[in-house]
Formats: sequence, structure tokens, C-alpha cells
Amino acid sequence: SQQGEEDPQALSIQEGENATMNCSYKTSINNLQWYRQNSGRGLVHLILIRSNEREKHSGRLRVTLDTSKKSSSLLITASRAADTASYFCATHTGYSTLTFGKGTMLLVSP
Amino acid sequence: GAVVSQHPSWVICKSGTSVKIECRSLDFQATTMFWYRQFPKQSLMLMATSNEGSKATYEQGVEKDKFLINHASLTLSTLTVTSAHPEDSSFYICSASILEETQYFGPGTRLLVL
Repeated sequence: SQQGEEDPQALSIQEGENATMNCSYKTSINNLQWYRQNSGRGLVHLILIRSNEREKHSGRLRVTLDTSKKSSSLLITASRAADTASYFCATHTGYSTLTFGKGTMLLVSP
Repeated sequence: GAVVSQHPSWVICKSGTSVKIECRSLDFQATTMFWYRQFPKQSLMLMATSNEGSKATYEQGVEKDKFLINHASLTLSTLTVTSAHPEDSSFYICSASILEETQYFGPGTRLLVL
């Protein structure tokens, strides 16, 4: 079953703008991860945030985690056309499996 | 580092044939490998978890006799879709895990059953 629910389902912005995607989940987690998928390709791991962390940065990516609200957000700053992809959150609950959300399709127009 | 390959990248087959998909971790030894299925514009659905040398653990609703998984070594897992039918057409993605937190994904295999 899918644990994560991303919103929005789709997001269209101009280059240079920031893109924010949100993810909500239902059960307690060990960590939450964000992945990116270009059309018809495999997934690329972007960032992992543990349950005892509140914020994490990696380049133009900023991830927050609010375990009290069971939600996370992914912010991509100064977006580029190459950022166009689908973005998925995935929760890790202590077993080895990941449970993926439905994803947000991001379109960045030049 | 942490590169995972899949072969073939896409395959077209006739209904009733069996198709084998390979997943390899190229530069690391993976304790666990995972197989996912993804329909167009949808999320990844975990099919099974595979540990080297032991039987795969299948998710509820996934037929183990239909989707045969073999994990012969720490760098290779195979998924065989037996007697494939058009409804098996999908994008199959494998991943490999070292520390069981981060999974490294292969590029996927697109299967079309005619």
C-alpha cells in the first residue's frame, strides 16, 4: 500500500522560480527519502532525512520533515529546465522496504 | 559509485512466452535487491524483496509462480515473468541496497506483451 501522498500532483513553473512539493504519510518512520525520475527512466536518490532531523540541504535542494504532522517538503530553488521530472517521496519504516508516494510531476519551462 | 544496471532495457514478446530481466549492482555488493512495477504516470509498487541465497519475499497480491525471482549472488538478481500476458506489460525497476536505507535504482525495463 502507498504511504506517501505528494501534492501537488503536477506543478508547472518558469526557470528561476522555486518549486515546492509536499509529502504526507501515515505511520511512524525511520527516515524519508526523495527520489527523482525522468520520463521512462529509473529513479535517482536525491536526499534522505532521518526522523530525528528537521531540515536538510543538498545543493539547490532543501528538505524539511515534521514528524508531528507526518509531512515533508522538498524545495528546489532557482529551478532549471533540466529539473523537469517526477519527484517521489518514500518512507522507510525500519524494515528494508521503501513505500513510495504517487509523485509530483514538475515541468520547468525555459 | 553505487551503479545498478538492468538488462534488457526493453523487450517485446508474444503472449505466453517467458521473459527474464537481470539486475546487477556494478560496483558494490548488495545485501538486498528489490523489484518494483510501475504503470504509466503512477508510482512504484514493490513486488518483492530478495536477499542473496534465500527465497524472495513477495508483497501481497504478487503471484510468486508468475514472477520468479532468483538472487544467485550479491551482485545479480533476476526476475522472470512466466507465461507473460498483455496485462503484464509494464515498467519493471530493480533496486539494490547496501545499508538497507538508501536504495540505488536501475534504469528500468519496459516490457510489452503482444
